Amino acid sequence: GQQVMQIPQYQHVQEGEDFTTYCNSSTTLSNIQWYKQRPGGHPVFLIQLVKSGEVKKQKRLTFQFGEAKKNSSLHITATQTTDVGTYFCAGSSNSGYALNFGKGTSLLVTP
Amino acid sequence: NAGVTQTPKFRILKIGQSMTLQCAQDMNHNYMYWYRQDPGMGLKLIYYSVGAGITDKGEVPNGYNVSRSTTEDFPLRLELAAPSQTSVYFCASSLGQASGNEQFFGPGTRLTVL
Repeated sequence: GQQVMQIPQYQHVQEGEDFTTYCNSSTTLSNIQWYKQRPGGHPVFLIQLVKSGEVKKQKRLTFQFGEAKKNSSLHITATQTTDVGTYFCAGSSNSGYALNFGKGTSLLVTP
Repeated sequence: NAGVTQTPKFRILKIGQSMTLQCAQDMNHNYMYWYRQDPGMGLKLIYYSVGAGITDKGEVPNGYNVSRSTTEDFPLRLELAAPSQTSVYFCASSLGQASGNEQFFGPGTRLTVL
């Protein structure tokens, strides 16, 4: 079945450093979504990418969808302590009613 | 709108006990989902529903049951609780199918089985 792999599992950065998490699928995805979960909280939708090679930006966050629609990345420029949390990618195939979530990347930002 | 609500927030069960986790949404979403989240393991889909009266199994359905009698409510039933069911349970809903639609998550139920 479809699997979504995410790396790294953990990342610890100093405030102001950049951060990137990568997501790879064993199969071609129809789209990919990214969620953020603060410690003790619930996942919150960030963005959805649909088109091959698509790049979207939200302030300091840049999301990319690979040309083959099998991989994606989230890059945060100049991290802040408010960026702390776990970032999940979630993908689905054309026939999917549900999403397959990666295991997430936990980001810790120290001042 | 309250969004997606879940009760209870916390629960401790003894092995073999049963309970129902409640989930409700007031956004008139057709699609609803139950996930469990274990530390470092992401979210695994237990059951989902595409509308009232229709449910289907996800990746890890064993030991659980669901029903969907109304659009708003999607309770998850645990029969004969086992320590392996210790987890955080999230309910979610979406307007359309997950592929292409944002999922809205509830605050979660933290369940411990001892």
